[in-house]
Amino acid sequence: AQTVTQSQPEMSVQEAETVTLSCTYDTSESNYYLFWYKQPPSRQMILVIRQEAYKQQNATENRFSVNFQKAAKSFSLKISDSQLGDTAMYFCAFIGTNAGKSTFGDGTTLTVKP
Amino acid sequence: NAGVTQTPKFQVLKTGQSMTLQCAQDMNHEYMSWYRQDPGMGLRLIHYSVGAGITDQGEVPNGYNVSRSTTEDFPLRLLSAAPSQTSVYFCASSYSVALSTYNEQFFGPGTRLTVL
Repeated sequence: AQTVTQSQPEMSVQEAETVTLSCTYDTSESNYYLFWYKQPPSRQMILVIRQEAYKQQNATENRFSVNFQKAAKSFSLKISDSQLGDTAMYFCAFIGTNAGKSTFGDGTTLTVKP
Repeated sequence: NAGVTQTPKFQVLKTGQSMTLQCAQDMNHEYMSWYRQDPGMGLRLIHYSVGAGITDQGEVPNGYNVSRSTTEDFPLRLLSAAPSQTSVYFCASSYSVALSTYNEQFFGPGTRLTVL
């Protein structure tokens, strides 16, 4: 079974600064997807960024980028130029060859301070 | 498209009562799933379906039943509610369950369930 670990329950960052959220995972599979989801106080789950394991290039979406280290099984999320609207809980998720079974980490609560 | 819809948004039950949480999607998605989210924890998979007539158990299936008679609908049934089932429930769907064509999961707005 796969496991996903987010070791930082809470983090804070000043507006306009950069913050990195950590995620490690454990799997014996060679092909899989990794995701970061954002959950604001509204509870709606919003996809932030996606990384396919066979792609060596790190994914980027505007201010959001990942550092994907496949050998180390690490998948961190970097948020640049943090904005107040980035305040949310962030979840790391794994989907393997049984794409019906996804595994989520316990989340990191990020607070962006003005 | 309405996306993934869930009803009700809130529900309070007494121990032993039964109820069905409704989930529907209008995107012709093959895959649908139910998760529960407890305070301070991530989403845990309850049941999932890879197509009409096909369902399977996730990580925490006990106390829950599902069926998928149509592509659009995937209801979750609690046969005899227990306080341990107090949680927020999310339904999700995706176009494909094959990893080669996998895209992303789209989530409903959630149902907050309290069992007294």
